Amino acid sequence: AQTVTQSQPEMSVQEAETVTLSCTYDTSESDYYLFWYKQPPSRQMILVIRQEAYKQQNATENRFSVNFQKAAKSFSLKISDSQLGDAAMYFCAYRRSQGGSEKLVFGKGTKLTVNP
Amino acid sequence: NAGVTQTPKFQVLKTGQSMTLQCAQDMNHEYMSWYRQDPGMGLRLIHYSVGAGITDQGEVPNGYNVSRSTTEDFPLRLLSAAPSQTSVYFCASRHYSYEQYFGPGTRLTVT
Repeated sequence: AQTVTQSQPEMSVQEAETVTLSCTYDTSESDYYLFWYKQPPSRQMILVIRQEAYKQQNATENRFSVNFQKAAKSFSLKISDSQLGDAAMYFCAYRRSQGGSEKLVFGKGTKLTVNP
Repeated sequence: NAGVTQTPKFQVLKTGQSMTLQCAQDMNHEYMSWYRQDPGMGLRLIHYSVGAGITDQGEVPNGYNVSRSTTEDFPLRLLSAAPSQTSVYFCASRHYSYEQYFGPGTRLTVT
């Protein structure tokens, strides 16, 4: 069974600085998707970034980028120029791409605090 | 587009009561799913559907029923509520091979 581990229950960063959130996963599949979701206090789940496993290039979305290390099964999220609005729970998630599987496997989340 | 909508936002039930959580999407997505989120945990899949008339169980299906009579709607039924079903429920939808879009969630308390 696939598992996703986020080893940092809480992180904090100063406004305008950079922070990296860690995520590792375990799978025997070769083709899959990885996601980072943000959940602010409003509890809405917001997609931050996604990565297809077959792509070697790391995904970027504005201030958000990932470091995808397929062999190491690692998928970290880097937030540059942190803003107060980045404060939220961040969840790493995995989904296999074959067989029509609908199941997103989530980590337990990292609570990010942004200090002014 | 309204995206994925869920009703109600909050609900309190007594043990043994039944109710239906509503979910609708206006993006013509094939896939829809229900997740629950418990404190200190990520989301866990309850049931999902790959198209109208087709549903399947996820990781934690016991105590819940679903049906998918139209592409747009995917209601979740609690048959006989139990305190263990106290949770926040999220509905999600997606096109094939794309990421899930989540609704705003329903906070359910069972006393």
